[in-house]
Amino acid sequence: DAGITQSPRHKVTETGTPVTLRCHQTENHRYMYWYRQDPGHGLRLIHYSYGVKDTDKGEVSDGYSVSRSKTEDFLLTLESATSSQTSVYFCAIREGGGYNEQFFGPGTRLTVL
Amino acid sequence: GESVGLHLPTLSVQEGDNSIINCAYSNSASDYFIWYKQESGKGPQFIIDIRSNMDKRQGQRVTVLLNKTVKHLSLQIAATQPGDSAVYFCAASTSGTYKYIFGTGTRLKVLA
Repeated sequence: DAGITQSPRHKVTETGTPVTLRCHQTENHRYMYWYRQDPGHGLRLIHYSYGVKDTDKGEVSDGYSVSRSKTEDFLLTLESATSSQTSVYFCAIREGGGYNEQFFGPGTRLTVL
Repeated sequence: GESVGLHLPTLSVQEGDNSIINCAYSNSASDYFIWYKQESGKGPQFIIDIRSNMDKRQGQRVTVLLNKTVKHLSLQIAATQPGDSAVYFCAASTSGTYKYIFGTGTRLKVLA
């Protein structure tokens, strides 16, 4: 998985609780992304980062926040989890802009009851 | 809005036959494309990419064809093997932007 780890790999939580997912990379890549994957949908971008402390919203950012205090770590936080946020979450990294592929982590399966 | 779509949700092929998986994109400014393979319970795995200044690119047992005129690309897998069973999806991007648009995927089933 190109030096990308995600933690936890599985989590079950209750509606209204805060949840933080962690993505860690050892590739020193500039760009990091958070996606969610749901049946019937392609991967949808939640947030991305283009450097330390530089982040921006994707197409489905409502209810999510992110932080990147170090190059290697990108955190995704659900401030108050809802059942609609039950999904599989993938982190991805990309070396730079232009013609560079994204590499994905193994995913986190989150269930919100 | 911008979209990427795959033509078939499921494709079944006999082991040893060639597989062709199709993808269409809507944004004519897209100039970089990637095919991913995703096995059950795993993250997407990079297979092959192609830039818009090419119409064909080959890898190991895989070929990607790009037709910019009709905004279509395809992934060809030669001599399909049981280990090729997975969901395949394409992604389109425009250089200078951060964003990739992903298709929903075609599940490839390899029949013995």
